[in-house]
Amino acid sequence: GQSLEQPSEVTAVEGAIVQINCTYQTSGFYGLSWYQQHDGGAPTFLSYNALDGLEETGRFSSFLSRSDSYGYLLLQELQMKDSASYFCAVTGLDSNYQLIWGAGTKLIIKP
Amino acid sequence: DAGVIQSPRHEVTEMGQEVTLRCKPISGHNSLFWYRQTMMRGLELLIYFNNNVPIDDSGMPEDRFSAKMPNASFSTLKIQPSEPRDSAVYFCASSLQTGTEQYFGPGTRLTVT
Repeated sequence: GQSLEQPSEVTAVEGAIVQINCTYQTSGFYGLSWYQQHDGGAPTFLSYNALDGLEETGRFSSFLSRSDSYGYLLLQELQMKDSASYFCAVTGLDSNYQLIWGAGTKLIIKP
Repeated sequence: DAGVIQSPRHEVTEMGQEVTLRCKPISGHNSLFWYRQTMMRGLELLIYFNNNVPIDDSGMPEDRFSAKMPNASFSTLKIQPSEPRDSAVYFCASSLQTGTEQYFGPGTRLTVT
């Protein structure tokens, strides 16, 4: 089977750095994606890692290590507007290319 | 581009009634996905289409649910008859190709009483 695990909730302070981890069990996949969802809103795409290593987009970075079945989303210079849920998802080789989603991590930011 | 369009944004109906949710994907996108999200079950893929053809409907809960995509610019998700446990937010998403970045619509919040 295929599954992704991420913490249900993470708390951090405004201005700080936070890392949201995602571990997965899958027979193979094309890449690891991250989505952000604010309360009452729709998921929006943040990043995609097809290859191992770090991808940086402004204050957000995403990392993938296939050998460790592990990835993370790194958020720097946290702002209150970053309070949201963050989902990791893999594009599975055995899932007709559909996304397999993690349960999401709720990020709480305190002033 | 207007993004993915869903209607209605909110739907309140009584148990047993038929509900039809509508979606217009982004023009040029070949893949369309219907998701359901609840606090208890999180984000669930119900069905997805590629080039208007249903590829995987294994996530459709039961026969009360059906989805169609008659053309590249329109899809419907129908629940008949609706039940209180169907209450959720239903999202439609589209992508250029299956496996690439998905763009979500604003969702339809369904309440079945």
